[in-house]
Amino acid sequence: GQQVMQIPQYQHVQEGEDFTTYCNSSTTLSNIQWYKQRPGGHPVFLIQLVKSGEVKKQKRLTFQFGEAKKNSSLHITATQTTDVGTYFCAADRGSTLGRLYFGRGTQLTVWP
Amino acid sequence: NAGVTQTPKFQVLKTGQSMTLQCAQDMNHEYMSWYRQDPGMGLRLIHYSVGAGITDQGEVPNGYNVSRSTTEDFPLRLLSAAPSQTSVYFCASSYVFTGSGANVLTFGAGSRLTVL
Repeated sequence: GQQVMQIPQYQHVQEGEDFTTYCNSSTTLSNIQWYKQRPGGHPVFLIQLVKSGEVKKQKRLTFQFGEAKKNSSLHITATQTTDVGTYFCAADRGSTLGRLYFGRGTQLTVWP
Repeated sequence: NAGVTQTPKFQVLKTGQSMTLQCAQDMNHEYMSWYRQDPGMGLRLIHYSVGAGITDQGEVPNGYNVSRSTTEDFPLRLLSAAPSQTSVYFCASSYVFTGSGANVLTFGAGSRLTVL
């Protein structure tokens, strides 16, 4: 079954609007990672969150890790057309060496 | 520094044919893995390896074989291709250790496979 739930599956926004995608796990995580895949491309690592309640920012992107280390979110402020792509969370449960559990991704479309 | 190199980029097979997707990394990563990506299904793990001589199954291993004879290479073999194996395949690798920075994956550019 799905180890990591990610919602929404699709999001269409107008340029300048905000965007958020959420990841939830039924088990406590060792860390969570976020990847971005541009259309026709391959997933590229964005960030890793390790500590309970951690918040990290990359320009207009804000990443949060829940206090219980079971959920995470990625928020983009004032989207731009360059933000188009699919955003994946990847959970490290710490139980199997090296293995990550990917969410199904959120496909973001930005209208100019 | 090439990172993760996958070949071929595109392949068309007929049902029942066999083939091997190649993956090589030059970062001395212990962990290597194969994913398939289908629309709406995200990235599903096929097989993975935590070092030379060690492999294990992921979520969708049926119809695929892997081996890891060297740290650098992790080929994926399709034994008898089926239309259900039409997909985009990604190889990914990482260091394996605990703590911050652990298990960050570097992906190859992908191999698009069509089985007729």
